[in-house]
Amino acid sequence: SYELTQPPSVSVSPGQTAKITCSADALSEKYVYWYQQKSGQAPVLVIYEDTERPSGIPERISGSSSGTMATLTISGAQVEDEADYYCYSTDSTGNHRGIFGGGTKLTVL
Amino acid sequence: QVQLVQSGGGVVQPGGSLRLSCAASGFTFSSYAIHWVRQAPGKGLEWVAVISNNGSRKYHADSVKGRFTISRDNSKSTLFLQLNSVRAEDTAVYYCVLFPVYWGQGTLVTVSS
Repeated sequence: SYELTQPPSVSVSPGQTAKITCSADALSEKYVYWYQQKSGQAPVLVIYEDTERPSGIPERISGSSSGTMATLTISGAQVEDEADYYCYSTDSTGNHRGIFGGGTKLTVL
Repeated sequence: QVQLVQSGGGVVQPGGSLRLSCAASGFTFSSYAIHWVRQAPGKGLEWVAVISNNGSRKYHADSVKGRFTISRDNSKSTLFLQLNSVRAEDTAVYYCVLFPVYWGQGTLVTVSS
């Protein structure tokens, strides 16, 4: 079955750059979206269509994609960036079925 | 502004049924596909189902296929998820989602005897 693979956890110190990856075989043919979820809250979109940032999302959050891997980068991570991050795309069947990565816990301390 | 207001969660016994609703406003409901996503306690997000704008096409995750059914009533701008033959592993917060931005507030479904 089609899967999006993320590392379970990433840890950085404040001010450092955090990179969270999302990989899958057919990722180069699909857009990737990234969500931030803080405890007890609904997810918030932070990157859409691989690289685009919605209004209100800090410029230190960016996205990139190359081949079978998409990357969420948080430059100069801050304590308030600590959260779970999920990548999302559509599966390889082309019928709009969605799929999430397993999620990455970002720790900033 | 876009609003997705959910209702219908609660406690249901294993093997039982429940219907979730999602009332939409602030956009032309009949123009958009809408999804259901769930999150089990302490776990990640899981995509559940999607329905096309006019309801003619529906897709469900393998984990719920044959037990859950997504539907919509465009005259009432409302999305539904019918849960049948529920199992303990269906315990989760269920969200309706207008991808990629707008999420409902979530509703908890607890499967327990």
